[in-house]
Amino acid sequence: QKEVEQNSGPLSVPEGAIASLNCTYSDRVSQSFFWYRQYSGKSPELIMSIYSNGDKEDGRFTAQLNKASQYVSLLIRDSQPSDSATYLCAVNMNSGGSNYKLTFGKGTLLTVNP
Amino acid sequence: GAVVSQHPSRVICKSGTSVKIECRSLDFQATTMFWYRQFPKQSLMLMATSNEGSKATYEQGVEKDKFLINHASLTLSTLTVTSAHPEDSSFYICSASASGGIIGADTQYFGPGTRLTVL
Repeated sequence: QKEVEQNSGPLSVPEGAIASLNCTYSDRVSQSFFWYRQYSGKSPELIMSIYSNGDKEDGRFTAQLNKASQYVSLLIRDSQPSDSATYLCAVNMNSGGSNYKLTFGKGTLLTVNP
Repeated sequence: GAVVSQHPSRVICKSGTSVKIECRSLDFQATTMFWYRQFPKQSLMLMATSNEGSKATYEQGVEKDKFLINHASLTLSTLTVTSAHPEDSSFYICSASASGGIIGADTQYFGPGTRLTVL
């Protein structure tokens, strides 16, 4: 069973702090990793994709990937109340032949307190 | 770029009727489209994967005769919930990918979702 694990939270941080979200995955051969943000009642919104080991930065967001440890994380710097949402880690896994599908973690609920 | 639309955004119907949901990629050609369902406070559940011009691949436990998927073009996929019942009430979300598996082009972009309520 191919799985993606996240701490469900809730994770609560004060405004301006760094929020750290973590994710582990079971399929060692996975190559594509994504972080999505989902506000309550809305659909997921892509934040970052990462394919190579190391860090990838985009504005206040930094994704980190360690394939040897099967670990991917998302750091949010200078957290804002508008960042309060559920963050979904997703791993693209081969489902047979040339077909791929995203396997999602259950999501981590982040609350940024003013 | 990479905008996906869904229509309708919300639908309320009587038990036993059929409901069609459209998913369109507006600014790219979607080789593959995915249909998800999300119940309150639960994670996304993949229902089926569809490639343009091919039959959809359904996840285990999803009835293909109840959830009809058509992916007639590279920009349009439809999901029809046939003979809907109250237990089908959920948030249905489509996503589109420009590639079925080419790394770097396999990002899924989600539509805004359709909230279905069956009375």
